[in-house]
Amino acid sequence: EVQLVESGGGLIQPGGSLRLSCAVSEFTVSSNYMSWVRQAPGKGLEWVSVIYSGGATSYADSVKGRFTISRDNSKNTLYLQMNSLRAEDTAVYYCAGASAAVGYNGMDVWGQGTTVTVSS
Amino acid sequence: QSALTQPASVSGSPGQSITISCTGTSSDVGSYNLVSWYQQYPGKAPKLMIFEGNKRPSGVSNRFSGSKSGNTAALTISGLQAEDEAEYYCCSYAGSSTYAIFGGGTKLTVL
Repeated sequence: EVQLVESGGGLIQPGGSLRLSCAVSEFTVSSNYMSWVRQAPGKGLEWVSVIYSGGATSYADSVKGRFTISRDNSKNTLYLQMNSLRAEDTAVYYCAGASAAVGYNGMDVWGQGTTVTVSS
Repeated sequence: QSALTQPASVSGSPGQSITISCTGTSSDVGSYNLVSWYQQYPGKAPKLMIFEGNKRPSGVSNRFSGSKSGNTAALTISGLQAEDEAEYYCCSYAGSSTYAIFGGGTKLTVL
């Protein structure tokens, strides 16, 4: 059974940094497109970043220059390094994968999410 | 990177059909046949229901179908059931620098 387990969330002060992890089993991170998607309290989904199977990355304008997505193929784990955090970054952060089963054109596997709260 | 536009809410009675619209632009929905739809229950992770505009992942009921005309995509749910009550989000690819743009979400209420 495919499992994505996020960790690393918590309470952080504005301007601080946090690194989220997503440990994946039964689904190869390096062979699929892996994204981070967030959801602010009571709000909708917002795509944050993607790392393609070839290693290229892309970011939403709202996080460009502050967040960095990466992966460790040996650990089959996805990461999101978040710097210069702002109150508006407060959200549940989901890792999600797009597999060949859906032509990489839809996020068909999801984690349960980890909560990031940016507040003083 | 503006969010796609969805109605805030729709409702229907059991057995009926409903359609949720998703309006984008010629830079996203209109340019690619890469709209996906997600179902989300409160406090839970989203679930992929439709990909590439009108394809269903394995295990998704054929009561769910997708379509597109111009810059507007749509999700239709036929034979509404109580379990369909959830939030639904559309999402579109918008080019190599913008992998995904989500809609604001639509709350479906089964009366």
